[in-house]
Amino acid sequence: AQSVAQPEDQVNVAEGNPLTVKCTYSVSGNPYLFWYVQYPNRGLQFLLKYITGDNLVKGSYGFEAEFNKSQTSFHLKKPSALVSDSALYFCAVIAITGGANNLFFGTGTRLTVIP
Amino acid sequence: NAGVTQTPKFRVLKTGQSMTLLCAQDMNHEYMYWYRQDPGMGLRLIHYSVGEGTTAKGEVPDGYNVSRLKKQNFLLGLESAAPSQTSVYFCASSYAGQFTDTQYFGPGTRLTVL
Repeated sequence: AQSVAQPEDQVNVAEGNPLTVKCTYSVSGNPYLFWYVQYPNRGLQFLLKYITGDNLVKGSYGFEAEFNKSQTSFHLKKPSALVSDSALYFCAVIAITGGANNLFFGTGTRLTVIP
Repeated sequence: NAGVTQTPKFRVLKTGQSMTLLCAQDMNHEYMYWYRQDPGMGLRLIHYSVGEGTTAKGEVPDGYNVSRLKKQNFLLGLESAAPSQTSVYFCASSYAGQFTDTQYFGPGTRLTVL
């Protein structure tokens, strides 16, 4: 089955430390991968995406993600976490189902940055 | 620009009642989407539209209908609400399609079916 997995429900990190939110995928063909962030009582906001090209993708708010084809991963990273980064993070992948593209979201990882 | 707006923000229904959720976007986007978000399950696509007058089924379309009579609006209808439809509903839009383009999300509608 084509899908995306976020193995950690919760990630805690101290302010100023580097953060990583993990994502792995399973799709046929070349993957299109996305990261979205959701703040409390808000809709999702786009952070970054990988379509093709450089494996290191830079996005909004200082976030970046590294596409690793051999490990089928697309982990989200930031060198120095801020308290304001605390939110729910979703990885998503485009997969073909029923002959059409569809966007599948992971179950989300709650990031808490501790002051 | 208001971006993507959703009406209403909250609603409580009794089993069997019907309602319509309205999504509006002012970005002239061709594509619009309806998702539901349930605890521990991420977002799941209900229906989407690739342009005015068109609709298509997503991952979980059963129990829902949609209409896209105007480019800027995308309506989600529940004809006979069931408790399993208790969820947070998000609308999104994108300029281009096939899901490769960035989607812009509304603030959500929290629906409870008793």
